[in-house]
Amino acid sequence: DAGITQSPRYKITETGRQVTLMCHQTWSHSYMFWYRQDLGHGLRLIYYSAAADITDKGEVPDGYVVSRSKTENFPLTLESATRSQTSVYFCASRDSDSPLHFGNGTRLTVT
Amino acid sequence: AQKITQTQPGMFVQEKEAVTLDCTYDTSDQSYGLFWYKQPSSGEMIFLIYQGSYDEQNATEGRYSLNFQKARKSANLVISASQLGDSAMYFCAMPTGFQKLVFGTGTRLLVSP
Repeated sequence: DAGITQSPRYKITETGRQVTLMCHQTWSHSYMFWYRQDLGHGLRLIYYSAAADITDKGEVPDGYVVSRSKTENFPLTLESATRSQTSVYFCASRDSDSPLHFGNGTRLTVT
Repeated sequence: AQKITQTQPGMFVQEKEAVTLDCTYDTSDQSYGLFWYKQPSSGEMIFLIYQGSYDEQNATEGRYSLNFQKARKSANLVISASQLGDSAMYFCAMPTGFQKLVFGTGTRLLVSP
């Protein structure tokens, strides 16, 4: 089925560990995004990508790394997880003429 | 930079009544758009409706409509004939370059029987 898939749906990790959140889309959208959602802040942009091998920082990039070697994949890595990175993470994609399409989110807890 | 403000943290409405969720925005762009998304308790983000700044008429999608007042920089979402399934978080958003969207903090709507 066409769509955008995030994995895992839930993740618990310890402070200091590296963790990677996966995102895969089947629409061949050029643009992909990572947002985090926290109470009182709405959704804040972490990183985005305009095409394969083109990425840029969003509003809250510190502590995160992204890559985009293929158009359909956009993994997000927390290099050394901190408790402040406990959040719900959404991957999204779009083209110029489409609304933003979201994955179902990954709920990450850092203990 | 573009900014979205949603001043209503929570709203209550009775089933079958209409409700308006407020959204104001700030932008210096002449051409822009406004999006509304719904997030039910299950967590997914669902696109509801879009309004372009040069659209001559207010956008409508079923029971959803946008009360777009350009001079006031407001793009309020109107839900007519509320249903229990409308209980959710609602987010207003607008593009801010490179196809990114900036979001408001959201309004939680509770529909009571």
